[in-house]
Amino acid sequence: EAGVTQFPSHSVIEKGQTVTLRCDPISGHDNLYWYRRVMGKEIKFLLHFVKESKQDESGMPNNRFLAERTGGTYSTLKVQPAELEDSGVYFCASSQVIGSNEQYFGPGTRLTVT
Amino acid sequence: GQNIDQPTEMTATEGAIVQINCTYQTSGFNGLFWYQQHAGEAPTFLSYNVLDGLEEKGRFSSFLSRSKGYSYLLLKELQMKDSASYLCAVNLSNDYKLSFGAGTTVTVRA
Repeated sequence: EAGVTQFPSHSVIEKGQTVTLRCDPISGHDNLYWYRRVMGKEIKFLLHFVKESKQDESGMPNNRFLAERTGGTYSTLKVQPAELEDSGVYFCASSQVIGSNEQYFGPGTRLTVT
Repeated sequence: GQNIDQPTEMTATEGAIVQINCTYQTSGFNGLFWYQQHAGEAPTFLSYNVLDGLEEKGRFSSFLSRSKGYSYLLLKELQMKDSASYLCAVNLSNDYKLSFGAGTTVTVRA
């Protein structure tokens, strides 16, 4: 069974540009989470999808961030326009609704805004 | 805000035992996770405690005391491959929104 995958693994963009990160959860997992780790800080929750619906987006930093999960499969996280403080590692995780409490994490996308 | 504290770094010798403590003060509590993360890789699940007591899984054990807001991860018979960051995370609610500590970097020396 394939794990959670994220694309790209690294992205370097200039301030003001747009970047779209993609997450493919484990097949059949209804729950999808986005987290972010900025340099030297802890991993922080951004938002949670249940299928295609946003269950909780209380961790989204501001309206420059837009997450979608059309069709309830993969998800995208767009940052537009990117700022320097958006640099960090963006993790995606997925879990089943029923069964294990475990969230399976992807390897993350390292975003550098210059 | 959520407060989840764990030591920044720990060093131990191969074959030894190391205990990583985690204390938490959070707005909600619905269980505590421990994850292992090697540099540049995904965090991987180690353990989950929702009731007080000790959960043992091979060389790794995790303990929880809800009244004290305290957990520890015990790594026994340390191996070089155990060198990694260990993350304590509290599940704040029924939908498994996790709040993480900053992580403890464990270095195993030969």
